[in-house]
Order: sequence, then structure tokens, then C-alpha cells
Amino acid sequence: NAGVMQNPRHLVRRRGQEARLRCSPMKGHSHVYWYRQLPEEGLKFMVYLQKENIIDESGMPKERFSAEFPKEGPSILRIQQVVRGDSAAYFCASSPRRGERNTGELFFGEGSRLTVL
Amino acid sequence: SQKIEQNSEALNIQEGKTATLTCNYTNYSPAYLQWYRQDPGRGPVFLLLIRENEKEKRKERLKVTFDTTLKQSLFHITASQPADSATYLCALAPSGSARQLTFGSGTQLTVLP
Repeated sequence: NAGVMQNPRHLVRRRGQEARLRCSPMKGHSHVYWYRQLPEEGLKFMVYLQKENIIDESGMPKERFSAEFPKEGPSILRIQQVVRGDSAAYFCASSPRRGERNTGELFFGEGSRLTVL
Repeated sequence: SQKIEQNSEALNIQEGKTATLTCNYTNYSPAYLQWYRQDPGRGPVFLLLIRENEKEKRKERLKVTFDTTLKQSLFHITASQPADSATYLCALAPSGSARQLTFGSGTQLTVLP
């Protein structure tokens, strides 16, 4: 049973280009989260999505960043016009359907490391 | 503002000893607290969860305590091994609803052979 799959694992972009990061959640999981991790820092929440819905994007920069989780296919985190400060590891996590007893344990992918030159 | 603080310095211990990592939080009322392990270049891996009404939880060589009065969790690894060397993250989830976890910045543990 495959875990959370992220690709690409490494991505290099020049300033001004676009970066697209993909995440396929674990089988049976309908909730996807994106986190960003800068060197020597903790994971920072960006966005929480369910199929075709953005539930919480309070951690996402207002400009240049967007996320989607279509009915079919992986979740996509898109960064337009990248700048050097966007260089970081971006982690996707998934969880099963939420309910009152869901404890929020997250299953993480191995991350996508974006380097902006 | 809400804040989660873990041991600010890296922790080095000798193999066989017990490692104790600290997670303190302020301005927060978590329903539960989780601990994750992260190896270099890898994603975090869930280890243990403890609820607000639980004082202690064990799993093999791992033990977690949760003191909501002190607003602190302690994470212990007994009989530590070099393979336990990693960064350990604590994460809190707020009470009342299932929302995203908030992570601490982690403590880097090195177990020396």
C-alpha cells in the first residue's frame, strides 16, 4: 500500500518561473495538507483541502500561491513567479475522513525540495 | 499569540541512556498532542499521540507525558540507540474541532555509540 506520494522530489527554478508540486494522498484518504519547512525551522501549515474544496488556506501567502485538489488526480501546489525566499521543502500530508474521534494523525510524503536560483 | 517551544539546543546522549525531550506551549488549549520523528531529507513519521485527559502514554521504548497545568509534554526514549538519532517534533491540535496540527521547530537528538 503506497504511502503519500510527492513529486518531484527536487525542483530547481529560476526567479520568475512557476513551480508545480504534486501530491497523491494515501489510498482511502480524502484530506490533504500542505506544509512548508525552511532550514532549521519547523513545519508551517499552508493549506488544508478536501476533494474539490479548500477548507483552510490561512497559512498560504495571499499572492503567487495556490492549491487545488481536483475530483480526479493529485493535489497541486502552485507557486507563480518564484522568488529566492520560496526555496524550501514542501511537505504534503494526508489523513482519512475526519470525524469526531479522528485524532488528526498525519501521514507525510517525503517532500519536494524547491530551489530557486 | 500561540507558541510551541521545544528544546532549543540539540541533545547529545550516550547510547543506553534515556533521552528526554521537552515541548512547552503557551496560549493554547490542545485536545491532543502528537510526537513525530523526522530524519534528514525525509518526511515526518508519526510516533505517539496523547490526549488532554491522559497523563502518560507508552509504546515500546517511548514514553510521553502530558501536563496541561504546566502546559508541557515530555518525550522519553529509554535504552537509546544510535538509530534513534533524528529530529523529534511535537505537534498540537486545538480542542473542539479537527483542524490542522501546529508543529514545534523540533529537537535534534544524537545518540552517541
